[in-house]
Amino acid sequence: DAKTTQPTSMDCAEGRAANLPCNHSTISGNEYVYWYRQIHSQGPQYIIHGLKNNETNEMASLIITEDRKSSTLILPHATLRDTAVYYCIVKAVDMRFGAGTRLTVKP
Amino acid sequence: SAVISQKPSRDICQRGTSLTIQCQVDSQVTMMFWYRQQPGQSLTLIATANQGSEATYESGFVIDKFPISRPNLTFSTLTVSNMSPEDSSIYLCSVEDLGRVRETQYFGPGTRLLVL
Repeated sequence: DAKTTQPTSMDCAEGRAANLPCNHSTISGNEYVYWYRQIHSQGPQYIIHGLKNNETNEMASLIITEDRKSSTLILPHATLRDTAVYYCIVKAVDMRFGAGTRLTVKP
Repeated sequence: SAVISQKPSRDICQRGTSLTIQCQVDSQVTMMFWYRQQPGQSLTLIATANQGSEATYESGFVIDKFPISRPNLTFSTLTVSNMSPEDSSIYLCSVEDLGRVRETQYFGPGTRLLVL
């Protein structure tokens, strides 16, 4: 599976958009980009995934660059409950978790 | 998405003993996975468990230490054998749901294990 690189931590003001970047420069053509989050030792929660097109669901938007070497997860209106560790994963067969980004949403 | 439950939710065990963790899914799934999350760390894949075949273990994990059963398409167990304090972790069950969101893994709530 391709390796991902994410910032260790980020802050975001409540009500503002949170933009979480991820680099995956060694991604293969058949590998999807997945995003999960983990809120304080709960099981990871699926957010969104995509192959090459941008995706949007009720939780977030996923922007994948044309060369697929990086992506950005966007939480359009962050709330305090979005404080969590966010994991970007490039999946071939199974999920391999990196260190993730600790997002702190501040009032 | 699949609803996953784990038992026990937490336990405190003495070193040298074994604990079996159960994972129950509300729908039939082909692929089930077991992960470990050590304190302050990310998740590490222990093994993949498909029904009707032996579990496939990742590097650093062996069947004698972490035996896994997968008797049917909705249930699996992970045993942590001969425990030591280093086994204190959260153990998570995950399944691949081929339903609404294909090839997406969903995770159970985890089992918090403390070994004294």
